[in-house]
Amino acid sequence: RKEVEQDPGPFNVPEGATVAFNCTYSNSASQSFFWYRQDCRKEPKLLMSVYSSGNEDGRFTAQLNRASQYISLLIRDSKLSDSATYLCVVNAYSTLTFGKGTMLLVSP
Amino acid sequence: NAGVMQNPRHLVRRRGQEARLRCSPMKGHSHVYWYRQLPEEGLKFMVYLQKENIIDESGMPKERFSAEFPKEGPSILRIQQVVRGDSAAYFCASSPKDDTTGELFFGEGSRLTVL
Repeated sequence: RKEVEQDPGPFNVPEGATVAFNCTYSNSASQSFFWYRQDCRKEPKLLMSVYSSGNEDGRFTAQLNRASQYISLLIRDSKLSDSATYLCVVNAYSTLTFGKGTMLLVSP
Repeated sequence: NAGVMQNPRHLVRRRGQEARLRCSPMKGHSHVYWYRQLPEEGLKFMVYLQKENIIDESGMPKERFSAEFPKEGPSILRIQQVVRGDSAAYFCASSPKDDTTGELFFGEGSRLTVL
């Protein structure tokens, strides 16, 4: 089983759509969780941290279920500029482990 | 305030040559991480360093790869006797502390092509 597993994608959605990304992780000792965003041929950048209580940042909502070792990211009212690869990231023992990423393509 | 600086941005080497990739962390950051991203693959952790110390090199291939972060100067990732399979984007990231509940700041990457 892969350490961090994400939907393979790509997700093709029209502007204004709501899209959800799922992620599972295998290391039960994982301590913190993040979603990063990576544009084509660019470096990853932190999108948001993920907390057990769930957290929201504008159109983005992240949730964590420790019992199921599951993380999600919801994007509402998709914009063209949301097109990117979304990386699920898990921290265990001071090392970040990245999922392979799910590509999102938002079309007009 | 400059971000994480990596150079060269692009490097072409022939099989058997050496590749040296450099990374200067953000000002005030003393922890450096190297990741490799193969085409169509996710980022794979390679090594975590602090000044003059390798903290975790569990992701480094056992042969031909080495990394250092000297007291003065940038962190260096060195690949000896490169092979075509080493072609990838190598990203460096830095953080101000070893607790990565905070953010990792990435450089723009160094893209190695082995002919």
